[in-house]
Amino acid sequence: NAGVTQTPKFQVLKTGQSMTLQCAQDMNHNSMYWYRQDPGMGLRLIYYSASEGTTDKGEVPNGYNVSRLNKREFSLRLESAAPSQTSVYFCASSEGSNSPLHFGNGTRLTVT
Amino acid sequence: QKEVEQDPGPLSVPEGAIVSLNCTYSNSAFQYFMWYRQYSRKGPELLMYTYSSGNKEDGRFTAQVDKSSKYISLFIRDSQPSDSATYLCAMSGSGGYNKLIFGAGTRLAVHP
Repeated sequence: NAGVTQTPKFQVLKTGQSMTLQCAQDMNHNSMYWYRQDPGMGLRLIYYSASEGTTDKGEVPNGYNVSRLNKREFSLRLESAAPSQTSVYFCASSEGSNSPLHFGNGTRLTVT
Repeated sequence: QKEVEQDPGPLSVPEGAIVSLNCTYSNSAFQYFMWYRQYSRKGPELLMYTYSSGNKEDGRFTAQVDKSSKYISLFIRDSQPSDSATYLCAMSGSGGYNKLIFGAGTRLAVHP
């Protein structure tokens, strides 16, 4: 039982490049999330998907887009990467609202 | 002022000590309280999940919620070097999927 799987684990981009972070969960959860974690800032919600077919903005959505491909998969896209997007990105899933989140092990992204 | 405040530490204790980790919050609507443990270069994993006030115990871990003081605590008894990690508090009200607020985390080191 893998839980939440994120790919890639590491990525280095140049300013202006694009990339997609992939996330898949095998727990049959309805809700999925993308967070970023920066030193001293805690985890901040970028986008979430309450259920298959829906997506909504979180606290820091600017510069990102998401796709809920199916119930298992939720991807995060950076269209034109900026140094301010250097961070560790975590995908999470939950059964529903106010249910505990289950996290993947993160993607460490550096934008130069 | 942040909605959730957590001392970043680091907190260094000898093996076998009782550890107390704390968070304060400002939003009286918070009802769901969680503690996550995050090892270096890993995703957060859920330790404790409580609803409203009171205590909850699980093995060496005890979570306390004092809603009147807007204060939550995690106690670790007989601490072990394997407890060395960053501990994140998280909380939400009835607002739903995008309303989970994380503390910045307290780094704990348990030395033999």
